[in-house]
Amino acid sequence: GAVVSQHPSWVICKSGTSVKIECRSLDFQATTMFWYRQFPKQSLMLMATSNEGSKATYEQGVEKDKFLINHASLTLSTLTVTSAHPEDSSFYICSAQKQGGEGYTFGSGTRLTVV
Amino acid sequence: AQSVSQHNHHVILSEAASLELGCNYSYGGTVNLFWYVQYPGQHLQLLLKYFSGDPLVKGIKGFEAEFIKSKFSFNLRKPSVQWSDTAEYFCAVIFNTNAGKSTFGDGTTLTVKP
Repeated sequence: GAVVSQHPSWVICKSGTSVKIECRSLDFQATTMFWYRQFPKQSLMLMATSNEGSKATYEQGVEKDKFLINHASLTLSTLTVTSAHPEDSSFYICSAQKQGGEGYTFGSGTRLTVV
Repeated sequence: AQSVSQHNHHVILSEAASLELGCNYSYGGTVNLFWYVQYPGQHLQLLLKYFSGDPLVKGIKGFEAEFIKSKFSFNLRKPSVQWSDTAEYFCAVIFNTNAGKSTFGDGTTLTVKP
């Protein structure tokens, strides 16, 4: 199967600090990964498309300087929330597609709480 | 603009009742269609998907969905729900099959009473 691991599962940080979230494809290579954000009782909103070896593509309204994405290898993409504020508190989810496969596998998500 | 809409925000059923959750999209081109389920405290899981071929798609846990191109719909069905089907259900569409990014509907909360 295709497994995507996301770490950490939850994190609490102080306002003004930065937090890094990792998304790993454990048993396949993923040239493209996607980062989503989910607010309570709302749907997933795509934040950006992470491309291995190149810059991420951000959706309209997403601050690229605040949400730094790095996809340095075929199995790892990271999302760094810089200078986090309480309004950044949310559930962040990544997904990836196994090359040649159909459908996308989602990570288990990261609950970020900024205090 | 491309969009995905799920008309039912919260559905409450008794066990053994039949289920149909609506999903419509606005786009005239080729799409890939998905239904995901999110059980309480768990991550998203793929229920079923449609890429091409038979428009009636069967997924896991007894779910099925039918793609009706003329209606731009991809409704999810299950003939007899169980208490364990209580979850959030999301319809997702890939509008640009080359880009691969999914657009999600707002989700439908299904509560099944025992």
